[in-house]
Amino acid sequence: KQEVTQIPAALSVPEGENLVLNCSFTDSAIYNLQWFRQDPGKGLTSLLLIQSSQREQTSGRLNASLDKSSGRSTLYIAASQPGDSATYLCAVRPPTDSWGKLQFGAGTQVVVTP
Amino acid sequence: DGGITQSPKYLFRKEGQNVTLSCEQNLNHDAMYWYRQDPGQGLRLIYYSQIVNDFQKGDIAEGYSVSREKKESFPLTVTSAQKNPTAFYLCASVAGTYNEQFFGPGTRLTVL
Repeated sequence: KQEVTQIPAALSVPEGENLVLNCSFTDSAIYNLQWFRQDPGKGLTSLLLIQSSQREQTSGRLNASLDKSSGRSTLYIAASQPGDSATYLCAVRPPTDSWGKLQFGAGTQVVVTP
Repeated sequence: DGGITQSPKYLFRKEGQNVTLSCEQNLNHDAMYWYRQDPGQGLRLIYYSQIVNDFQKGDIAEGYSVSREKKESFPLTVTSAQKNPTAFYLCASVAGTYNEQFFGPGTRLTVL
């Protein structure tokens, strides 16, 4: 069974520092991987989607890499701001079911201090 | 604006009651999902539906029921058989061939 792990569970950085968030998964046979942001008491906001054939995706200050062979993805947030404070979750989709059934990590709670 | 709406935002249930959570989307997505989120845990799949009048159990379907009579609507009923229903419930839908999943704002259910 696919297991998704995000370490650390919580992270605090000063404003301006680059954020590095980790996601690891046990089965390298994935369809794609998605990164989400969740603010307290809110739903999930999709940040980036990486297909299994891709090595990275970029959107503004965000860059996500994917290394299927090692079962890892990393989300980089450049020049962090207090508004980046949130919980970040990664989720993988198995190749046998292209219609969903995402497997989620527990998330990394990020605090960016001014 | 296109999106997913969930109502109510907060819901309180007495022991032994059934309650229904609403999820509506105007994104014209075919597939819809219900997840449950508990503190410190990742999201867990309750039910999902790929087409109208068809749905499948997820990992934690016991004590829950769903219907999919319209493409845009996927209500979730939390029955009295669900022993620990206090949680944050999230509805989602899938877009197009790249299967990017989008989420609604959530409903927080509390059992009194």
